[in-house]
Amino acid sequence: DAMVIQNPRYQVTQFGKPVTLSCSQTLNHNVMYWYQQKSSQAPKLLFHYYDKDFNNEADTPDNFQSRRPNTSFCFLDIRSPGLGDAAMYLCATSAGGHYGYTFGSGTRLTVV
Amino acid sequence: QKEVEQNSGPLSVPEGAIASLNCTYSDRGSQSFFWYRQYSGKSPELIMSIYSNGDKEDGRFTAQLNKASQYVSLLIRDSQPSDSATYLCAVNRPQGAQKLVFGQGTRLTINP
Repeated sequence: DAMVIQNPRYQVTQFGKPVTLSCSQTLNHNVMYWYQQKSSQAPKLLFHYYDKDFNNEADTPDNFQSRRPNTSFCFLDIRSPGLGDAAMYLCATSAGGHYGYTFGSGTRLTVV
Repeated sequence: QKEVEQNSGPLSVPEGAIASLNCTYSDRGSQSFFWYRQYSGKSPELIMSIYSNGDKEDGRFTAQLNKASQYVSLLIRDSQPSDSATYLCAVNRPQGAQKLVFGQGTRLTINP
């Protein structure tokens, strides 16, 4: 089945230790997104790729970076995780236009 | 003013009744509107999309859109305990590639 896959489902990292979250898709969608969702809050857009074009949200901290080496894969790098970065990280894809997103299962990040 | 506002609830509805969820948005240029269901600890799942004023029905779900009032709603008929979840309203930002802005969600509980 065509889908969006995030790995790992749960990630525990140490304060300040770089961590990478991954996302892959078999939908061949042009657009891939990374959202951060903290408990009882709205998902917050960090950045998105339209094909290879990277678009950062103005309020996304420099601590967060992203890579999209090809259509299928997208990575979220957190260079120096702080306790405030503990959250669910959601990858989503879209065919653009009026279509909604397809979300992956999310990665729950814990910082210790 | 938040871009997308929802009553956070919790909203409690007896089984078999109609659940009514509401959402307002601030950007008059928005064209696409979505309702996502999110179970605790899981990622959002698209359940309805609407683009034109009026009602759109899909099974037990009806989405309603009033662009003049900048208002979107979701009705769930014959509510079931399995409908207990957080419902996220999402609205596209009209500029550039599709970017969805999410409300913080309404937590719905269906009581048997």
